[in-house]
Amino acid sequence: DAKTTQPNSMESNEEEPVHLPCNHSTISGTDYIHWYRQLPSQGPEYVIHGLTSNVNNRMASLAIAEDRKSSTLILHRATLRDAAVYYCILRKRNTGNQFYFGTGTSLTVIP
Amino acid sequence: DAGVTQSPTHLIKTRGQQVTLRCSPKSGHDTVSWYQQALGQGPQFIFQYYEEEERQRGNFPDRFSGHQFPNYSSELNVNALLLGDSALYLCASSLRARLDNEKLFFGSGTQLSVL
Repeated sequence: DAKTTQPNSMESNEEEPVHLPCNHSTISGTDYIHWYRQLPSQGPEYVIHGLTSNVNNRMASLAIAEDRKSSTLILHRATLRDAAVYYCILRKRNTGNQFYFGTGTSLTVIP
Repeated sequence: DAGVTQSPTHLIKTRGQQVTLRCSPKSGHDTVSWYQQALGQGPQFIFQYYEEEERQRGNFPDRFSGHQFPNYSSELNVNALLLGDSALYLCASSLRARLDNEKLFFGSGTQLSVL
C-alpha cells in the first residue's frame, strides 16, 4: 500500500517557484517526512526533511500541513539543473526507521 | 572524500544464475541499506546492515541475502535469478548515530538485466 501519493509529473518555467505536493494521510506521529530527488542515471540525493515544523535549507523549503497529512516541497527558483524525479518519503519509526519511497513526481523545467 | 561507490555498473545474467553486487559506503558511515528500483518506480527497501548484521528487512524473499564486512562495505547476493529481478540496485549509506537526522547517501547503482 502506497504511503505517499504524488502527481506523476509537473512542469515549471525556469526561474519561477515550484510547489511539489505530497499526500501522506496514514502518517504516524513519529514519522519523518523526507524529500529526495533523482537525476537521470544517478542515485537519489537528499533534499530536505522535517517532522512537524516547516524547514528551510539552501536547496529548498518544506511546508508541512498542520495535521501532517500532506506536505509541499518548494523550490524557490527552478533552474534547468532541478529537472529530476522528486520523491516524497516517509521514514517510519515503527518499522525500524525504514524509508518508504513513493512513485515520485517528474519535474520538467522549461527554459 | 569519495561518496558511495557501487560495482559493477551494469550486469547481464540469465535466469537461474546467481549474482553478487558490491558497495563501499561514504567515508565515516557505518550503515548500509540496499534498494531495488524497477523501471519507472521508486526504490523499494531490501535490507539494512549495521555492525555486520542484518537489522531490518523489507518484503523480499530469502533469495536476496547480504553481508557487511568489518570495513563497513557490503554485498548483495541474489540467487536463482528471475526475469522480474531485472532492476537498478541501489546502495545507500548513513551514520546510525544521527538517528532523527539520518540522511541516506546513494550510489549510482548497478543495473541488472536478467535474460
